[in-house]
Amino acid sequence: RKEVEQDPGPFNVPEGATVAFNCTYSNSASQSFFWYRQDCRKEPKLLMSVYSSGNEDGRFTAQLNRASQYISLLIRDSKLSDSATYLCVVSYSGNTPLVFGKGTRLSVIA
Amino acid sequence: DAGVIQSPRHEVTEMGQEVTLRCKPISGHDYLFWYRQTMMRGLELLIYFNNNVPIDDSGMPEDRFSAKMPNASFSTLKIQPSEPRDSAVYFCASRKAGGWADTQYFGPGTRLTVL
Repeated sequence: RKEVEQDPGPFNVPEGATVAFNCTYSNSASQSFFWYRQDCRKEPKLLMSVYSSGNEDGRFTAQLNRASQYISLLIRDSKLSDSATYLCVVSYSGNTPLVFGKGTRLSVIA
Repeated sequence: DAGVIQSPRHEVTEMGQEVTLRCKPISGHDYLFWYRQTMMRGLELLIYFNNNVPIDDSGMPEDRFSAKMPNASFSTLKIQPSEPRDSAVYFCASRKAGGWADTQYFGPGTRLTVL
């Protein structure tokens, strides 16, 4: 079983739609959780951290369910500029490498 | 801050040739990571260093791959001999010790094509 699993997509949604991505992780010792964004032919960049209580940043909402080992990302009012690959990432501690999912591709269509 | 610097940005070579990828981490960062990304396998960690010392190289695919970090501001990833299946984007990333995982920064990557 992969350490971090995501639906690869692609998700093709119209502008203004709400879209949700899910991710599961296998190691219950995971301590930190993130969503990274990767644009085509670019490097991954941190989108947001995921906190136990859930957190929101503008149109983006991240949720964590430790009991189910499940992370989600919700994007409201999708923009064309949201088109990218979204990578689910977990960390076991501050001094170990990040573990990346393979990513979910999103295309927002006009 | 200049960010993580990688060179070359693109490399096209023929099977059997030696390839050397270079990385300059962000100044003051103690950790350096080499990743490889392909459509099939996603982003894979190859090796990482802490204070210039290799900590875990279990992700290096085989003996054809080697990595060094002779000082805090420079690292290389070498493939010798290269094979077509090595074609991928290779990313270098760095992070400061004591910082949390979200302080990891990636370089722009080297797109390697082996013919």
